Amino acid sequence: ETGVTQTPRHLVMGMTNKKSLKCEQHLGHNAMYWYKQSAKKPLELMFVYNFKEQTENNSVPSRFSPECPNSSHLFLHLHTLQPEDSALYLCASSQGLGWRGGSNTGELFFGEGSRLTVL
Amino acid sequence: AQTVTQSQPEMSVQEAETVTLSCTYDTSESDYYLFWYKQPPSRQMILVIRQEAYKQQNATENRFSVNFQKAAKSFSLKISDSQLGDAAMYFCAYRRDNAGGTSYGKLTFGQGTILTVHP
Repeated sequence: ETGVTQTPRHLVMGMTNKKSLKCEQHLGHNAMYWYKQSAKKPLELMFVYNFKEQTENNSVPSRFSPECPNSSHLFLHLHTLQPEDSALYLCASSQGLGWRGGSNTGELFFGEGSRLTVL
Repeated sequence: AQTVTQSQPEMSVQEAETVTLSCTYDTSESDYYLFWYKQPPSRQMILVIRQEAYKQQNATENRFSVNFQKAAKSFSLKISDSQLGDAAMYFCAYRRDNAGGTSYGKLTFGQGTILTVHP
């Protein structure tokens, strides 16, 4: 399998549920990201990890909890979400800080996204 | 903070014709990257074209080319010989360039332009 894969593709959950989104990249990158895509709004950066270390938390509510066990896997744990959290959650990867493979353009490679609906 | 503005929520074009999507951005940086991403209905966002701000020559990728006007902070995308497969949401994105720093994949996106291609 190549590229960036996300599971599940669709998720419906109640406000009291706990669920997780999973992302896996097979590109040898060392940086991974969660972006939130809501209708009629620009993509919002949520979290950034570089070599498993979180380097950015863009003021995301604590009901979203990321986890990055290694450079290839990224999770987003969801707990006590609100209906306004319904959105498409996109995972991406890229060359990151410390990339030794040549020039670092910061190009993002995206997964297909997880469509989340909170009832 | 950097901002990216796409003033055209929707555009349409006839197959085989040419269409131009607009993008403006605001930054005080002199070195940066600009991107156009395409998000087809299947949702996986892919890179269409990239422009380094220090390069005066406009980037081209087959039928896709940009008109980069650094002084005007304008970065439009021209699609020539439009095809049905070009139908998608197009996002303009900005990334500052601090080589060796932490900006790598932290892109700022515009709101997107939905492109419809008519047969």
